[in-house]
Amino acid sequence: QVHLVQSGPEVRRPGASVRVSCKASGYTFTNYGISWVRQAPGQGLEWMGWISTYNGDATYAQNLRGRVAMTIDASTSTVYMDLRSLRSDDTAVYYCALPAASGTGYFDYWGQGTLVTVSS
Amino acid sequence: SYVLTQPPSVSVAPGQTARISCGGNNIRYKTVHWYQQRPGQAPVVVVHDDSDRPSGIPERFSGSNSGDTATLTISRVEAGDEADYYCQVWDSSSDPNWEFGGGTKLTVL
Repeated sequence: QVHLVQSGPEVRRPGASVRVSCKASGYTFTNYGISWVRQAPGQGLEWMGWISTYNGDATYAQNLRGRVAMTIDASTSTVYMDLRSLRSDDTAVYYCALPAASGTGYFDYWGQGTLVTVSS
Repeated sequence: SYVLTQPPSVSVAPGQTARISCGGNNIRYKTVHWYQQRPGQAPVVVVHDDSDRPSGIPERFSGSNSGDTATLTISRVEAGDEADYYCQVWDSSSDPNWEFGGGTKLTVL
């Protein structure tokens, strides 16, 4: 059974950084990359980026390049998402999501979500 | 980027049919997926690859894709179907690779 378990809620000041983790289990970690998707309060879903769990290569949404970094720790089957220079509009629930093995681009497993609150 | 346009809200009475649209330029050439998201929960895919249903999703959920519009159809709507619904496409050659529609709030009257 595939599981994606994320770290707990975070509160940060504007300008600070945050790290959210996503621990995967139930499948071969290095076979499938993982994406991060966020959702601001009352808003829609926004794709943030994707990281290969095979070699650590990542691609990021254009509006977040320079502020976001995704990394992996294959020894613990964990993916990390770092977001720096936080602003109030980064307040959101952050999800990690596993694309389906079919390769057609839908997410069939999601983490439980991590609320990141940016407030002074 | 590729823009996906959904109506903000759709309302339907129990037992009726709900149709939620997802507009995009020549979307018929894209593969469209649909998610249901209930309050406080992560999204769940209800239709993938235009019209395929994951195991465990009722047959009442179906999808189609032609022209510039993809459609999620929910037949015999139940109170439990009230949720937000998002369409999504993926294109490894586009930026961003994954794109979501703005979401549609389905209200069961």
